[in-house]
Amino acid sequence: NAGVTQTPKFRVLKTGQSMTLLCAQDMNHEYMYWYRQDPGMGLRLIHYSVGEGTTAKGEVPDGYNVSRLKKQNFLLGLESAAPSQTSVYFCASSSRDRQYQPQHFGDGTRLSIL
Amino acid sequence: DQQVKQNSPSLSVQEGRISILNCDYTNSMFDYFLWYKKYPAEGPTFLISISSIKDKNEDGRFTVFLNKSAKHLSLHIVPSQPGDSAVYFCAAIRWGVNNDMRFGAGTRLTVKP
Repeated sequence: NAGVTQTPKFRVLKTGQSMTLLCAQDMNHEYMYWYRQDPGMGLRLIHYSVGEGTTAKGEVPDGYNVSRLKKQNFLLGLESAAPSQTSVYFCASSSRDRQYQPQHFGDGTRLSIL
Repeated sequence: DQQVKQNSPSLSVQEGRISILNCDYTNSMFDYFLWYKKYPAEGPTFLISISSIKDKNEDGRFTVFLNKSAKHLSLHIVPSQPGDSAVYFCAAIRWGVNNDMRFGAGTRLTVKP
């Protein structure tokens, strides 16, 4: 039971470099999310998607882009990495069956920007 | 602004005793609340939830209490076990805005044998 899988688990970047974080889910969920977690703060929503081909901004979207070309995949891109983007990134998914479906999370990607 | 607050960064209890984790919120539009549990190097996992039309929800050793007038909820774990040692996050959602879940900063629970 893979659930939600994030790739990579760790990455170190230099300021100005770009990269893409991949999230894959095998639960046929309609909704997918990207969060970041910083010390002393809760998870904050970056972007989310309610279905294939659709994305929307969350609470802290600046500096990130996303794409959902396939239902099972949700990509998070950093076009020009900045030290302020050093964080742990979590991907999550949930079904659309009921209004308040709990979200299922991946194990996170720890990203350091030097 | 943090709309969901967990004011205790850490809590330590003895095995077999009760653990009480607290959470406060400021947005009265929240109408569904969840607790997630997180172990190191893993993602959060859903633990228990409660709708704003209820004041209590119980699932085995875990009970969540909601006091809407005080905008306060708490998670009770009885009896506490060493395997419960983890970080617990409180989260809240508004009706119709299921995609905008707000999290507290978390409370690290340590259950001592």
